[in-house]
Amino acid sequence: DTGVSQDPRHKITKRGQNVTFRCDPISEHNRLYWYRQTLGQGPEFLTYFQNEAQLEKSRLLSDRFSAERPKGSFSTLEIQRTEQGDSAMYLCASSLARASSYNEQFFGPGTRLTVL
Amino acid sequence: EDKVVQSPLSLVVHEGDTVTLNCSYEVTNFRSLLWYKQEKKAPTFLFMLTSSGIEKKSGRLSSILDKKELFSILNITATQTGDSAVYLCAVEARGSGNTPLVFGKGTRLSVIA
Repeated sequence: DTGVSQDPRHKITKRGQNVTFRCDPISEHNRLYWYRQTLGQGPEFLTYFQNEAQLEKSRLLSDRFSAERPKGSFSTLEIQRTEQGDSAMYLCASSLARASSYNEQFFGPGTRLTVL
Repeated sequence: EDKVVQSPLSLVVHEGDTVTLNCSYEVTNFRSLLWYKQEKKAPTFLFMLTSSGIEKKSGRLSSILDKKELFSILNITATQTGDSAVYLCAVEARGSGNTPLVFGKGTRLSVIA
């Protein structure tokens, strides 16, 4: 499968625990994005990378959230001291950014986090 | 603040009906508008629109953008039960390309037999 993959697909944790999610983008894509989607809402931007550089973080991304893309390939999103409000679907997307071209973002299947 | 508004939020139709989904936007530096279909998983890409008045078509689905009035519509003709999904509209609002998308809340379409 050459699409975006995410692991795990589902995660149930207790409040206060740390969780880490992984995203593997489409292999030649240089941009990688994390979004969060809660019930009845569209995805909301969290952060994105160009290769290994983190270009932007949303206001939604509190100090408990950290994301990395150490080698410019896969990325991890860690949430420390989880809260019930963190329960959501975490979506990863990737795209190939080229000058003067339009390139759509392709989404992975998401990781559904439930914080008890 | 950049904003994307979709209407209606939900819609129930019978198989064979034609539907029109609406998306309006207010963004600082428009670059492109995208439509995605989301079933019980990740959004899948449908269309990217960058120019006004040029219809994009794929089978029974079509979409058009009006950059003057700041809206887009997605049409689905001869709907089938497999069209049941949430349809998301998103805008690339930074002007430089491949930047994070701003999404609307989506329109939940239910097609009944």
